[in-house]
Amino acid sequence: EDQVTQSPEALRLQEGESSSLNCSYTVSGLRGLFWYRQDPGKGPEFLFTLYSAGEEKEKERLKATLTKKESFLHITAPKPEDSATYLCAVQADYGGATNKLIFGTGTLLAVQP
Amino acid sequence: DVKVTQSSRYLVKRTGEKVFLECVQDMDHENMFWYRQDPGLGLRLIYFSYDVKMKEKGDIPEGYSVSREKKERFSLILESASTNQTSMYLCASSLIHWEKLFFGSGTQLSVL
Repeated sequence: EDQVTQSPEALRLQEGESSSLNCSYTVSGLRGLFWYRQDPGKGPEFLFTLYSAGEEKEKERLKATLTKKESFLHITAPKPEDSATYLCAVQADYGGATNKLIFGTGTLLAVQP
Repeated sequence: DVKVTQSSRYLVKRTGEKVFLECVQDMDHENMFWYRQDPGLGLRLIYFSYDVKMKEKGDIPEGYSVSREKKERFSLILESASTNQTSMYLCASSLIHWEKLFFGSGTQLSVL
């Protein structure tokens, strides 16, 4: 069964304390892996798309990487405004059939000043 | 700035009522989606649409229907609301199928 698992469920960091969030997946074929950020009371906001193992994307303090089994979202020197829930979603390749997204349950990140 | 607008931020309904959740996007996107988000379960796809008049069932369509009469508007209908449909409902749109979804702010629906 196709599955996306995010860890940890929650993470508390001090401002400036770098860390990584994990998204592991088991799908028959990967078309793409997506990272979203969700603030309380709002819908998810797109961050990155990764398509193949070895690919990396960066945006400000965030860097997303991809291997054949998992993706990491690295947060360097985080600030309180980085506090949010980070969602990972995988688009599996069903060989021409509808390739829907499978979302993980997210990592709730809290960055304390 | 791109925008997906959901008509209500909070909604309280009674069991058995017919409920309409409206979603409008201003980006001329072909693709629109309805998800529900529950703690511990993540986002689950209810219905989606690749084009006007077209609709496809997602993973949990039971108890829901949709309408897409115009490109910019995608409505979710709960034919007879039940307590297990209490949830956060999120509408999204995209330019290229499942790539880079733009989400609305959500409707928190409570069915009493």
